[in-house]
Amino acid sequence: AQSVTQLDSQVPVFEEAPVELRCNYSSSVSVYLFWYVQYPNQGLQLLLKYLSGSTLVESINGFEAEFNKSQTSFHLRKPSVHISDTAEYFCAVSAKKDALNFGKGTSLLVTP
Amino acid sequence: NAGVMQNPRHLVRRRGQEARLRCSPMKGHSHVYWYRQLPEEGLKFMVYLQKENIIDESGMPKERFSAEFPKEGPSILRIQQVVRGDSAAYFCASSANRGDYGYTFGSGTRLTVV
Repeated sequence: AQSVTQLDSQVPVFEEAPVELRCNYSSSVSVYLFWYVQYPNQGLQLLLKYLSGSTLVESINGFEAEFNKSQTSFHLRKPSVHISDTAEYFCAVSAKKDALNFGKGTSLLVTP
Repeated sequence: NAGVMQNPRHLVRRRGQEARLRCSPMKGHSHVYWYRQLPEEGLKFMVYLQKENIIDESGMPKERFSAEFPKEGPSILRIQQVVRGDSAAYFCASSANRGDYGYTFGSGTRLTVV
């Protein structure tokens, strides 16, 4: 079975500052990794995913995550956040095609 | 181009009643997934369905919970004889193909059992 640990339940940060949201996973088999974002009162949206190939993956809105197999991590980063990035961020792992295992989420709060 | 539609958004039920949660997948999607989010927890996989078939129900509680995805109409998650522990947010997702990682989620149904 796979599991995900998001070490920070809340991350407050000032606008235009860099941010890192941490995600560690455990699995005895190869996995696929995802970050989802949930804005208030909305469903989850896929932010980025790692399936294979380059260990650094990027999203269209400036986020990036790096798969580190030796550290079993998939941390999410952005060099300069905006107010509009305020949301709940979920890391997820999957070893089979149908089910994702989610972390508990990290609430990112960006203030002016 | 509507996304995954879930209704109702909020549902209140008394203990012992039945709860029916509906999910209409995105147009062209024939694969539906249900997840549950308990307070202070991450989303937990419940069941994966294709039209008229349950593919994987490994995350479904053994009793009181059932799911269907008929040939016509939305997917239904049914909870019989609800208890307070069933209070949670229930999310539905859909995809066009099996193994389409990064499927699209609906906004969820918040079930409160009083």
